[in-house]
Amino acid sequence: ILNVEQSPQSLHVQEGDSTNFTCSFPSSNFYALHWYRWETAKSPEALFVMTLNGDEKKKGRISATLNTKEGYSYLYIKGSQPEDSATYLCAPKAAGNKLTFGGGTRVLVKP
Amino acid sequence: NAGVTQTPKFQVLKTGQSMTLQCAQDMNHEYMSWYRQDPGMGLRLIHYSVGAGITDQGEVPNGYNVSRSTTEDFPLRLLSAAPSQTSVYFCASSSQGQGIHNEQFFGPGTRLTVL
Repeated sequence: ILNVEQSPQSLHVQEGDSTNFTCSFPSSNFYALHWYRWETAKSPEALFVMTLNGDEKKKGRISATLNTKEGYSYLYIKGSQPEDSATYLCAPKAAGNKLTFGGGTRVLVKP
Repeated sequence: NAGVTQTPKFQVLKTGQSMTLQCAQDMNHEYMSWYRQDPGMGLRLIHYSVGAGITDQGEVPNGYNVSRSTTEDFPLRLLSAAPSQTSVYFCASSSQGQGIHNEQFFGPGTRLTVL
């Protein structure tokens, strides 16, 4: 079982502000790092799948970076909007297709 | 495509009862998995399957059985429900293979309460 830590557990952001949060994971046996966005009362939806050290992905105002050597990934939200309010989950993939999910960072954007 | 479907959406059981949570996908995905989601604990893997006829245990398999007779279906059976199994259960599927960016697609979830 991988030890996956996400910090902070929750954060409040003022609309228009930018924010970022962290996913830490064991760097050995690394295959990929998944980010999911999970809105209340819905199912998790994939944001990014990252595999290469130094990889950077972007989708609209949300972007992520990956450092496989030190075992961390950052997710950034630029100019936060209320619709960005959700829990953001990271999940590294080791052998096979199994994902180990972190506890998530719950983001609440205040208008 | 319907994607990943789960039934029922809600279920209340008494301690000791058994039931099966249904999961089906129409994307011809080889990999299917069951997670449970508890407050403050994220998603924990119960069982998974890499193809028809092949299943394996995840992080929290005790009290649950699975089978995979077809590519499409992956039911989760609770043998004798306990209050500790009160949770939200998610089924997910993805294509197989290391070289593919195989994101997982999640079903809508089943909210189970065991009294």
